[in-house]
Amino acid sequence: NAGVTQTPKFRVLKTGQSMTLLCAQDMNHEYMYWYRQDPGMGLRLIHYSVGEGTTAKGEVPDGYNVSRLKKQNFLLGLESAAPSQTSVYFCASSPPPGLAGATNTGELFFGEGSRLTVL
Amino acid sequence: GQQLNQSPQSMFIQEGEDVSMNCTSSSIFNTWLWYKQEPGEGPVLLIALYKAGELTSNGRLTAQFGITRKDSFLNISASIPSDVGIYFCAGQLKSSGSARQLTFGSGTQLTVLP
Repeated sequence: NAGVTQTPKFRVLKTGQSMTLLCAQDMNHEYMYWYRQDPGMGLRLIHYSVGEGTTAKGEVPDGYNVSRLKKQNFLLGLESAAPSQTSVYFCASSPPPGLAGATNTGELFFGEGSRLTVL
Repeated sequence: GQQLNQSPQSMFIQEGEDVSMNCTSSSIFNTWLWYKQEPGEGPVLLIALYKAGELTSNGRLTAQFGITRKDSFLNISASIPSDVGIYFCAGQLKSSGSARQLTFGSGTQLTVLP
């Protein structure tokens, strides 16, 4: 199993440009998340989804949009990139709590990250 | 938003030494998790804790869920070079909704010197 796959791994943008990060998971997980990681600040939740066709805001949603058109994919978009969005972005997925037969450890399965630099 | 205070921010230790790191919060959590992140990778779960006072081990790693539900610690015994990485605590709020919204600490960067 590939688990959680993010593309691209690296990207450099100019201020004002737009781009989309793609996350794909092959574990049939209902929940998917986008986090950003900045030095000294841990991981902060941007947006998440509890199922196909649903999205919700996390802790730091401003400047980002997401879509979950297919269960296995979760897209993160930047419409007009800003230098403050320079960061490492992580996608994660998890099964819903209480699902019979599924782990209920609270574990999120993370991708390898996408490093974005906005000049 | 909710905050977790994780300390220390970084540690330099000799191979073979024991390591201890902790997280504290002003909020009550019903789940505490400890993740490890290696360079160029995403975080990977090490230990999950669900009950106040619970002490759980995973090989050389031991973690405890504080009785007040507001803190947790992670110990690594007899450190080895492959223990190098960033260790994150994460808590799930008692009142959180159906999604697994975790609050992460800022991480402890561990360096093991030969």
